[in-house]
Amino acid sequence: SYELTQPPSVSVSPGQTANITCSGDKLGDKYACWYQQKPGQSPILVIYQDKKRPSGIPERFSGSNSGNTATLTISGTQAVDEADYHCQAWDSNTVVFGGGTKLTVL
Amino acid sequence: QVQLQESGPGLVKPSETLSLTCNVSGGSINNYYWSWIRQPPGKGLEWIGYIYYIGTTTKNPSLKSRVTLSVDTSKSQFSLQLSSVTPADTAAYYCARVGPISGSSWYFDFWGQGTLVTVSA
Repeated sequence: SYELTQPPSVSVSPGQTANITCSGDKLGDKYACWYQQKPGQSPILVIYQDKKRPSGIPERFSGSNSGNTATLTISGTQAVDEADYHCQAWDSNTVVFGGGTKLTVL
Repeated sequence: QVQLQESGPGLVKPSETLSLTCNVSGGSINNYYWSWIRQPPGKGLEWIGYIYYIGTTTKNPSLKSRVTLSVDTSKSQFSLQLSSVTPADTAAYYCARVGPISGSSWYFDFWGQGTLVTVSA
């Protein structure tokens, strides 16, 4: 079965750029998307189709996907961005999630 | 704005069947895929399965033998049944809408608030 791998945690200073990666075999040949989840809340879609932002998502969120890695980039990271981030892709009619990455802003 | 709301028992005994319903409001249930996703406490997201509004289903192979999905378009609802539950099935269960399909692009654009189901005697 297809697998997506994310680092368990990423730390970033306020105002800096955070990069969260998601790795999978030939992931660049598929579409990746990203969800933000804060404690006690349901996930929110922040990036879909590799790099598109849903309405209402700040421009500081961007995405890319090439080779075996998809990347979520948060530019000018704010304290409010501290959350868990989950990547997701679709393979052979099944949905696959990465294990999630905890982003700490300190 | 589409809204989804899960409902069902918060406590289920081992070996019994977990049953949840998701009510869809603010938009049509027709012409979309609808999904169930769960998250054990402190862990990542796990996809359970999805159902098209006409009743076609696809399930996670790891859960397939225990999962039943159904939809009632007249009530704008879809449902999950998970049989023979164990404590390992304890999780927050979310219902979600699959966004407009484009090739292999599958993503969840609207989520319910989630409901915690505990499996315990």
